[in-house]
Amino acid sequence: EAGVAQSPRYKIIEKRQSVAFWCNPISGHATLYWYQQILGQGPKLLIQFQNNGVVDDSQLPKDRFSAERLKGVDSTLKIQPAKLEDSAVYLCASSPRTSGGTDTQYFGPGTRLTVL
Amino acid sequence: RKEVEQDPGPFNVPEGATVAFNCTYSNSASQSFFWYRQDCRKEPKLLMSVYSSGNEDGRFTAQLNRASQYISLLIRDSKLSDSATYLCVVSLWGGFKTIFGAGTRLFVKA
Repeated sequence: EAGVAQSPRYKIIEKRQSVAFWCNPISGHATLYWYQQILGQGPKLLIQFQNNGVVDDSQLPKDRFSAERLKGVDSTLKIQPAKLEDSAVYLCASSPRTSGGTDTQYFGPGTRLTVL
Repeated sequence: RKEVEQDPGPFNVPEGATVAFNCTYSNSASQSFFWYRQDCRKEPKLLMSVYSSGNEDGRFTAQLNRASQYISLLIRDSKLSDSATYLCVVSLWGGFKTIFGAGTRLFVKA
């Protein structure tokens, strides 16, 4: 079974530029998560999708971050414009269930973003 | 107060030692609890879920104390390969509001 795919793996940009990350979850997984992990910290949930609907985006800085999951499959996360403090690893995860209970989140390898 | 707190360590232990980590959470409505393992520059991977009755998987034992709002992870007979960061994860029922702790770093030495 293929895992969660993310691209690019690395990205270096200058502040005020824009950047987009892509995630393809495990086939059939209804729930998709985007996390931001700053060095030395645990992952912080930015947004959670269930199919193509947003169920939690309370920690997404909406003035500069946006995310979509068209057709309930793959997803993109965009930052516009980027700030120095956005330097982090952006992790995508997916889990299979549509409602109720909890189950394992499977993570992709992440995109390491450096903002100069 | 952080919603999920862990001792960052690092814990430096010799091979064969027993080591225990605790994690406290602040939201009494939390329903699901997990330990994830994260190797350096890698993604987190599920180590084990934590149930009210406690659960064991080989050398690893996890416990939940709802009254005191903490979970624990015990590793027996530590191996070099256990060196990693251990992340405590808490969520509400249904998998919502998932919160990761900052992690506890473990180094197992020969």
